Parts: sequence; C-alpha cells; structure tokens
Amino acid sequence: DTAVSQTPKYLVTQMGNDKSIKCEQNLGHDTMYWYKQDSKKFLKIMFSYNNKELIINETVPNRFSPKSPDKAHLNLHINSLELGDSAVYFCASTTRSGNTIYFGEGSWLTVV
Amino acid sequence: GIQVEQSPPDLILQEGANSTLRCNFSDSVNNLQWFHQNPWGQLINLFYIPSGTKQNGRLSATTVATERYSLLYISSSQTTDSGVYFCAVGSSGGGFKTIFGAGTRLFVKA
Repeated sequence: DTAVSQTPKYLVTQMGNDKSIKCEQNLGHDTMYWYKQDSKKFLKIMFSYNNKELIINETVPNRFSPKSPDKAHLNLHINSLELGDSAVYFCASTTRSGNTIYFGEGSWLTVV
Repeated sequence: GIQVEQSPPDLILQEGANSTLRCNFSDSVNNLQWFHQNPWGQLINLFYIPSGTKQNGRLSATTVATERYSLLYISSSQTTDSGVYFCAVGSSGGGFKTIFGAGTRLFVKA
C-alpha cells in the first residue's frame, strides 16, 4: 500500500506544452512538498503546503503552480514547458512537527 | 539560510569495507535526517536524528547538534548500499523548510 504516490512516473513532452503531476499521500500527514532533482542529483525544495495552505514558495518561475484540493493531495501544474524544466520531481509528506519525510517515487519529466 | 555540506562527494568502496559520511550544517537545527537514494531513484529515509546516536543494522548515525555536524556510518558495506546518501536539515526558524545537502555518491564494488 503506497504511502506517497505520484503520477505519471514518466513524462516526455514538447517545449511549450502544459502538463500536470499528481500526488496523493495516505499517511494522514498535514504537510506536503514538491522537490526538484536536477541532473546532478541536487534536491531543491519548490513548494510546501500545510493543511492545504501554501507556506513555502521558493524562487520558482510562476509557470509552476501547485494546488492542494485537500491535505492528502498536492498537484503540480507546469505551463509553457522549457528544456530546463527537465528533471525528476518528487512529492513528499511529513507530520506537522516536520519529522520523518516520506517521498514518492518521483516523476521523470523530459522536455524535448 | 542554512547551508549543508556533505563529504566526501564521491566514495568507492570494496564490499565489506566500512565508511563514514559527514554532514556539516551552518546553523542550529531541530530536524536532521539521512536518506539513501538507490540507483532506481527511490529516496528512503534512513534516520531521523536531530541529536544523539541511532543504529539500524549495519547503519548508524550520530548527530552532535552543538557542533553542527552529523555522521553516518556504514559497516560491512554491500553492493546494495550503492547510491547517493543525503543529509537534510530543518530549523525552527525555517518553518517546514527542509534543506538537502549535495549528497555523497557511494559505489560499492563486489
């Protein structure tokens, strides 16, 4: 029973397209995140939501728009995709206290 | 914001060898975790260890919060230990912002 699940796992799309990645957690956590991992494996936080409210928004282009319909779901929509958006996007969740973070399996996005 | 530095950046071990990975951080933290990313990209939490020492099988970790560092020990390494090891920290002033180090890339040779 997957704790944090993301879809799709692989996504190949053309520049200029709009795409979404969905994330769901069944751990009952209050806080969810999106992280971006680049080709050098560096993990950078993009957004954090706590109980559906945006609490962290790092310097991410406004082409990226997160949405949290409820505290178990956090989706990421990306407009006008660029080559530099190619990366692995990880969804994660944690308890309110910020203890152990649980990651999804990642979504491999390739923009061509 | 907090800076997280991990060393060494790369490590090659012969199967059966022991190793120590280090994580230095620039400010006081209330949250420190170690993760292993396997060759398939999966991120697994190894330890939640803001202070003290913990052990889990061949792995153990120690965090000395007052001196702002943490160590991850791998004993009797196996080929399945290969991957990238990340240290991640969060501070009380940073809300729920957890910052990752650049990682240590470990390859264990058979």
